[in-house]
Amino acid sequence: QQQVKQSPQSLIVQKGGISIINCAYENTAFDYFPWYQQFPGKGPALLIAIRPDVSEKKEGRFTISFNKSAKQFSLHIMDSQPGDSATYFCAASRTLGAAGNKLTFGGGTRVLVKP
Amino acid sequence: EAGVTQSPTHLIKTRGQQATLRCSPISGHTSVYWYQQALGLGLQFLLWYDEGEERNRGNFPPRFSGRQFPNYSSELNVNALELEDSALYLCASSGGVRGPLFFGEGSRLTVL
Repeated sequence: QQQVKQSPQSLIVQKGGISIINCAYENTAFDYFPWYQQFPGKGPALLIAIRPDVSEKKEGRFTISFNKSAKQFSLHIMDSQPGDSATYFCAASRTLGAAGNKLTFGGGTRVLVKP
Repeated sequence: EAGVTQSPTHLIKTRGQQATLRCSPISGHTSVYWYQQALGLGLQFLLWYDEGEERNRGNFPPRFSGRQFPNYSSELNVNALELEDSALYLCASSGGVRGPLFFGEGSRLTVL
């Protein structure tokens, strides 16, 4: 019940295109859903996050869509740039529980943006 | 403002040895989380410290342990190293038990 499933594992998109990464979760107690971006040799960097009371959140070219009934959320990267080439991780946590903000991560999606 | 800092960047050990990894959180953050990122296994939660106490641990054997110091920095110890402990160990801090996590660059542990 603690799993977060992420798809696809890898993605190739042309410069200017839209990258879409999907995640699904089982635990309905999850109440915080962040996305992280990780470049090779670096730690994950927080990109954008959403809570279940909102269906969509946009920050620049990055948008999270959240579907509470389907227990799914997705990341859209608009106007993808070569500099967006990285591995993206979705995550979820139950912040109102006893485990603080312990994040359960999806398996990651390697995104390659071709110029 | 400095982010989360981790040391050493790289560490090479042999089977059976002990490894110690260190983490300094963002100034003002009291919670520290440790994650293991092994090849092909994603990010796995190891330990959570807050206000000097271990608050939660993941599904790892007891030879993975750590502590948090009064200045909120933290140390992860891995005893009796095994080959499969080779991984990137990531530390994250948050400003409060429910705050967002900010990660350091990690410590790459290689066990030969």
